[in-house]
Amino acid sequence: DQQVKQNSPSLSVQEGRISILNCDYTNSMFDYFLWYKKYPAEGPTFLISISSIKDKNEDGRFTVFLNKSAKHLSLHIVPSQPGDSAVYFCAASAGNQFYFGTGTSLTVIP
Amino acid sequence: DAEITQSPRHKITETGRQVTLACHQTWNHNNMFWYRQDLGHGLRLIHYSYGVQDTNKGEVSDGYSVSRSNTEDLPLTLESAASSQTSVYFCASRLGGDTDTQYFGPGTRLTVL
Repeated sequence: DQQVKQNSPSLSVQEGRISILNCDYTNSMFDYFLWYKKYPAEGPTFLISISSIKDKNEDGRFTVFLNKSAKHLSLHIVPSQPGDSAVYFCAASAGNQFYFGTGTSLTVIP
Repeated sequence: DAEITQSPRHKITETGRQVTLACHQTWNHNNMFWYRQDLGHGLRLIHYSYGVQDTNKGEVSDGYSVSRSNTEDLPLTLESAASSQTSVYFCASRLGGDTDTQYFGPGTRLTVL
């Protein structure tokens, strides 16, 4: 049973606009959440993370929001750039094991 | 620079053959992981290790084995390859600790005919 879900397989956004990628989880024991970015033929690369004690973490154009009551996190990219086009995976952990979502393919249209 | 590498990058094999995928990291990380990526499933954990001589089963461990004889390497073995094991395999490592992230290798694309 998928403990981390990304219900949107794909998303298209105009360059300069905001991209919002969503992720839901079911396990209330998860205490650390991450977003990874993946280009074709490469391994996933770490993008941004958030601890369960916070509800927001920012790093440049990327912001992750965590709503623990809804078991929901989102990644905002502002402004979106063509180089942001990739597959984005959210992940959650409790201890040393990580659980990944199925990914959302983001296309930023120039 | 420290890194994590996988070899081979591409492999084609036949059903029933034994296959070993290599993973090597130079960060001196304690924790190492193997995942497979399939369409509609995302990344699923196969096996993981918290240190030398330690191995643990993940979500989809059937048909796979690992061994950890040193800190740097965690080879993944398919004892008798099956077509269902056609996938892209990623190795990852992590120092350890609640907020440490995982760093991934470039992946191995395995095709079992």
